[in-house]
Amino acid sequence: GEDVEQSLFLSVREGDSSVINCTYTDSSSTYLYWYKQEPGAGLQLLTYIFSNMDMKQDQRLTVLLNKKDKHLSLRIADTQTGDSAIYFCAESPYGGATNKLIFGTGTLLAVQP
Amino acid sequence: NAGVTQTPKFQVLKTGQSMTLQCAQDMNHEYMSWYRQDPGMGLRLIHYSVGAGITDQGEVPNGYNVSRSTTEDFPLRLLSAAPSQTSVYFCASSERTGYYNEQFFGPGTRLTVL
Repeated sequence: GEDVEQSLFLSVREGDSSVINCTYTDSSSTYLYWYKQEPGAGLQLLTYIFSNMDMKQDQRLTVLLNKKDKHLSLRIADTQTGDSAIYFCAESPYGGATNKLIFGTGTLLAVQP
Repeated sequence: NAGVTQTPKFQVLKTGQSMTLQCAQDMNHEYMSWYRQDPGMGLRLIHYSVGAGITDQGEVPNGYNVSRSTTEDFPLRLLSAAPSQTSVYFCASSERTGYYNEQFFGPGTRLTVL
């Protein structure tokens, strides 16, 4: 069945790079997403990657995709205290034929000043 | 645009009570869904709708009902609340593209069942 896994917690110092990892199971997922949830708020789309790409860069964010290992990572360069949040990866199963998303458990990123 | 709105923001129920969580969107999105968020379990899909008059079950539908009489509204009903339904509930909507789709989330409803 579909299952998306993430580590639960990551702590970094301000200015360091953060790397959040995710493994997914559905090889037919067309798009893979990273959502951010700030305290007391809903989720917001942070970035996404199309399944035929290996890497996508968007300012301080770098997404790496290893389709062979079904591994997705999000790197945040020069991490700031405002980056403290829960980060969810999500896959779109069934080849993206529906709008359903399967979310991971979320990784709580704590940025120490 | 207000985006996705949810009411109430907080709710406390006693076991056996019923209530409706409201969700509305003003983006003319066809696809709407309800998730629950529990610690260490991420978001789990409860019910979803691909358009007015069409609903379907997600991963954890038991104890919940939905209906979609208009494009804008997608209420979630708890028929007889149980402590296991204590959770944070999120409503989301997206265009029905079937491929890339950004889901827009409401601010959530924190429900406690005593």
